[in-house]
Amino acid sequence: KAGVTQTPRYLIKTRGQQVTLSCSPISGHRSVSWYQQTPGQGLQFLFEYFSETQRNKGNFPGRFSGRQFSNSRSEMNVSTLELGDSALYLCASGSMGLATRGELFFGEGSRLTVL
Amino acid sequence: DAKTTQPNSMESNEEEPVHLPCNHSTISGTDYIHWYRQLPSQGPEYVIHGLTSNVNNRMASLAIAEDRKSSTLILHRATLRDAAVYYCILKNDNQGGKLIFGQGTELSVKP
Repeated sequence: KAGVTQTPRYLIKTRGQQVTLSCSPISGHRSVSWYQQTPGQGLQFLFEYFSETQRNKGNFPGRFSGRQFSNSRSEMNVSTLELGDSALYLCASGSMGLATRGELFFGEGSRLTVL
Repeated sequence: DAKTTQPNSMESNEEEPVHLPCNHSTISGTDYIHWYRQLPSQGPEYVIHGLTSNVNNRMASLAIAEDRKSSTLILHRATLRDAAVYYCILKNDNQGGKLIFGQGTELSVKP
């Protein structure tokens, strides 16, 4: 069974640009949640999508957005990039929504560097 | 959101048991205790979770205090592959179930 796939694995952008990251969950999983990991703030929850609907959102500005497609693949977008957006962005796949006891399966992440 | 407190780092010898503590004094009755670990250069990996009773699975055991204000993740025989950052997380399914990660405990395992 294939795991969670995140693309691209590495990317470099400059301030002011925008970026789109992709996450393909495990086949059959309908929940995708996104996290930002930085050395200073650790792992922080961004948002969760379940069956194409955003069900939960963390405390991030509106520059961070996402969506989920009918095949459960998800994308997150960050507009007007700032230096502080440099981070490892992780997505997690679940067979049910976050509001269940099920375990989550994480991808290896997309490492974004903003110059 | 309820918070957890863990030691920043711990050391263990290979093939010895490891007890990783977690304090969560503000836990609510509906918070589940989840543990994830993150190996170097990888995403987090689910380890175990529980509510009130002690739990065992193939990876580890979870011992939960009677008042639920603390818990301990037990690795019965540490291997070099267990070197990772271990996160203790409170997950409230009634509040959307999002994972709120703390700083975690960095476990190093010596051969």
